[in-house]
Amino acid sequence: KNEVEQSPQNLTAQEGEFITINCSYSVGISALHWLQQHPGGGIVSLFMLSSGKKKHGRLIATINIQEKHSSLHITASHPRDSAVYICAVDFGNEKLTFGTGTRLTIIP
Amino acid sequence: DADVTQTPRNRITKTGKRIMLECSQTKGHDRMYWYRQDPGLGLRLIYYSFDVKDINKGEISDGYSVSRQAQAKFSLSLESAIPNQTALYFCATSELGTRGGPSGTDTQYFGPGTRLTVL
Repeated sequence: KNEVEQSPQNLTAQEGEFITINCSYSVGISALHWLQQHPGGGIVSLFMLSSGKKKHGRLIATINIQEKHSSLHITASHPRDSAVYICAVDFGNEKLTFGTGTRLTIIP
Repeated sequence: DADVTQTPRNRITKTGKRIMLECSQTKGHDRMYWYRQDPGLGLRLIYYSFDVKDINKGEISDGYSVSRQAQAKFSLSLESAIPNQTALYFCATSELGTRGGPSGTDTQYFGPGTRLTVL
């Protein structure tokens, strides 16, 4: 069965801390996406990757194909990073299967 | 102006009513999707369309139907709404073209969501 699991479900940290959110999946994939859902509900795509590592500003996404695992890192976290971060995977069927999300709260 | 728009943004209706949610995009993308989001669950795919003539059921299509009126418009209908269809509904688009073309998903662009409550 094609499954996507994220951890932790909830994460609270102090401003400035380094944040790591994890995503594991069950079988081989074509691509993995990281999305951000704002407190108001809007969803924005952050990264799409199939190997290696991508960086955008303070956000870094990595993927290890052999271990079927991806991480999203946030450096120098800020209260405006507070959101739900969602991992989604294409298992080769041109559709996305979504994790349940990680709710991140950054305290000033 | 937003590239992907949804109307209405909020809707409260009664059991048994017919409801249509509309999605429009100005990105020129071929692929469009309808998802629903429930508390504690991941987004789930209702229907998707790779071009105007290609419409497919997702994992939870029962009780829903769709219409792809043009490349830019993709509507979701609930023929007879029931309370467990209360959810947040999202439309999304992506760039890759018709089935048989480049494989794999591309970046998806989401609309702002429609909050539907069925009483």
